[in-house]
Amino acid sequence: GQNIDQPTEMTATEGAIVQINCTYQTSGFNGLFWYQQHAGEAPTFLSYNVLDGLEEKGRFSSFLSRSKGYSYLLLKELQMKDSASYLCAVKMEAGTALIFGKGTTLSVSS
Amino acid sequence: DSGVTQTPKHLITATGQRVTLRCSPRSGDLSVYWYQQSLDQGLQFLIQYYNGEERAKGNILERFSAQQFPDLHSELNLSSLELGDSALYFCASSVLGGELFFGEGSRLTVL
Repeated sequence: GQNIDQPTEMTATEGAIVQINCTYQTSGFNGLFWYQQHAGEAPTFLSYNVLDGLEEKGRFSSFLSRSKGYSYLLLKELQMKDSASYLCAVKMEAGTALIFGKGTTLSVSS
Repeated sequence: DSGVTQTPKHLITATGQRVTLRCSPRSGDLSVYWYQQSLDQGLQFLIQYYNGEERAKGNILERFSAQQFPDLHSELNLSSLELGDSALYFCASSVLGGELFFGEGSRLTVL
């Protein structure tokens, strides 16, 4: 079966940096996605990695190591509005659905 | 606003009943995906359609079915509802191979 693991919960303070890890074991790999989801709302796209390395987008960066089946999402200069769930998802084949991990709930306090 | 429209936003019904959830994808997107999200299971992939044809199936129960119409809107039919079917049901669309854009979801409560 497919397995995507993330920590269930994390806490951090405003202005800090937090790293959310994701490990995956899937029968195929065609890219890794990170989504943000506020409670009761739709998931929104944050980042996409298909090659090894770091992708930076403003305060958010995502890293991928395909050989290790590992990714992380790095959030810098945390703000209260970053309190949300962060979902790691794998696309196993081109043109197919994303398979999601259970998500990491991040709480940012002042 | 992702451009994906889902109706209804909220639905309350009784066990044993049948409901239909509707999704209109973003303009130009041919792929539609249905996901179920419950508190303990996260986002579970149910089924994918591409240009009217079923493309992939995930953890969709036999009591559930879906279709995509010529105008590309999609419907998810849930029948013989059970308490455990209470969840948020999301529709997403994409150009084939691209990121998924999610609708606001339909919250189903089965009493």
